[in-house]
Amino acid sequence: EAGVTQFPSHSVIEKGQTVTLRCDPISGHDNLYWYRRVMGKEIKFLLHFVKESKQDESGMPNNRFLAERTGGTYSTLKVQPAELEDSGVYFCASSQELGKTEAFFGQGTRLTVV
Amino acid sequence: AQKVTQAQTEISVVEKEDVTLDCVYETRDTTYYLFWYKQPPSGELVFLIRRNSFDEQNEISGRYSWNFQKSTSSFNFTITASQVVDSAVYFCALSGFRFDYKLSFGAGTTVTVRA
Repeated sequence: EAGVTQFPSHSVIEKGQTVTLRCDPISGHDNLYWYRRVMGKEIKFLLHFVKESKQDESGMPNNRFLAERTGGTYSTLKVQPAELEDSGVYFCASSQELGKTEAFFGQGTRLTVV
Repeated sequence: AQKVTQAQTEISVVEKEDVTLDCVYETRDTTYYLFWYKQPPSGELVFLIRRNSFDEQNEISGRYSWNFQKSTSSFNFTITASQVVDSAVYFCALSGFRFDYKLSFGAGTTVTVRA
């Protein structure tokens, strides 16, 4: 069974550009989460999807970040326009059932804004 | 508000030494869950353990052991007889009573095991 897959693994963009990160959860997992780790700091929650609906987006830093999960399968996280402070590692996780099953994390996308 | 503190930024040991990672948490929830994850050089976060707040029994899994002490709000992790493959970043995390994986993570401890 494939795990959580994230694309790309690395991205280097210039300030002001747009970047789209993608997460493919484990098949059948309704719950999908985005997290971010800014260099050396703690990993912070960004948002939670249940199928295609945003259940909790309290961690989204500002309106330059847009997450979607059309059809309840894969998810994208777009940053537009990117700023230097957006650099970090973006993790995606998925789980099958809230409260009952473990969440599995992807390998992360390392985003560098220069 | 929930908060997890991992005071140790980096730990370096020689192979076969034991290493203990500290984790202190803050929460107002009476029911909560604590986790440890390992991030090897490949990057993914690997789940190690989940413990609920009502279960204070220590747990051992192979060379790994965990010491949960509610009185001191700590959930420490020990690797016994460390190996080079244990080199990784280790994260402690906390979730609320809903166990919905809205995790609050610590900053992580980088463990380097030298041969």
